[in-house]
Amino acid sequence: AAGVIQSPRHLIKEKRETATLKCYPIPRHDTVYWYQQGPGQDPQFLISFYEKMQSDKGSIPDRFSAQQFSDYHSELNMSSLELGDSALYFCASSFYRAAEAFFGQGTRLTVV
Amino acid sequence: GQQLNQSPQSMFIQEGEDVSMNCTSSSIFNTWLWYKQDPGEGPVLLIALYKAGELTSNGRLTAQFGITRKDSFLNISASIPSDVGIYFCAGQRANAGKSTFGDGTTLTVKP
Repeated sequence: AAGVIQSPRHLIKEKRETATLKCYPIPRHDTVYWYQQGPGQDPQFLISFYEKMQSDKGSIPDRFSAQQFSDYHSELNMSSLELGDSALYFCASSFYRAAEAFFGQGTRLTVV
Repeated sequence: GQQLNQSPQSMFIQEGEDVSMNCTSSSIFNTWLWYKQDPGEGPVLLIALYKAGELTSNGRLTAQFGITRKDSFLNISASIPSDVGIYFCAGQRANAGKSTFGDGTTLTVKP
């Protein structure tokens, strides 16, 4: 079965650069969630979208923005990167904001 | 903010033993979820619980939604080496698909 696809899997950026992470949800899923997971930490909710509209916002820095496109894929844009932004970034998707969300394999961002 | 406390933080068990871990919260959740995460991978959903008191099984896994709606537990029976990983509980409020995650229980299984 198709799963959530995230790209790239790994990304290395320098401080103050920008990064764009992409997420392709499971087919027919209309809800996308973004989470950030630091080393040894639990995933922290950043932002979510339902039917291309922002549905909830968590601890997402102002330097980050995200959107969901007409084909339901989502992109997380990160600007003015800081060393502390180094983390695993996960996208999850569900149908109609269902509780059962399925996670992608993540993008490991390293800021140097 | 909301905080989910998982215990124990880590467990070291022998293959074949049963495992029990739990998750408690200071506030009520309407849905409880249990995930397993392998290093460098995304969390994989194991069990979802929707009603207070609900007891649900998935193979060797059994989870329960506490009647106070502030806690949940996960049992793994007859552990095997591939059970190794980090187990996260997650809670959701009504009409909010986002999950608040616990701090995880790291399970090590010795063959």
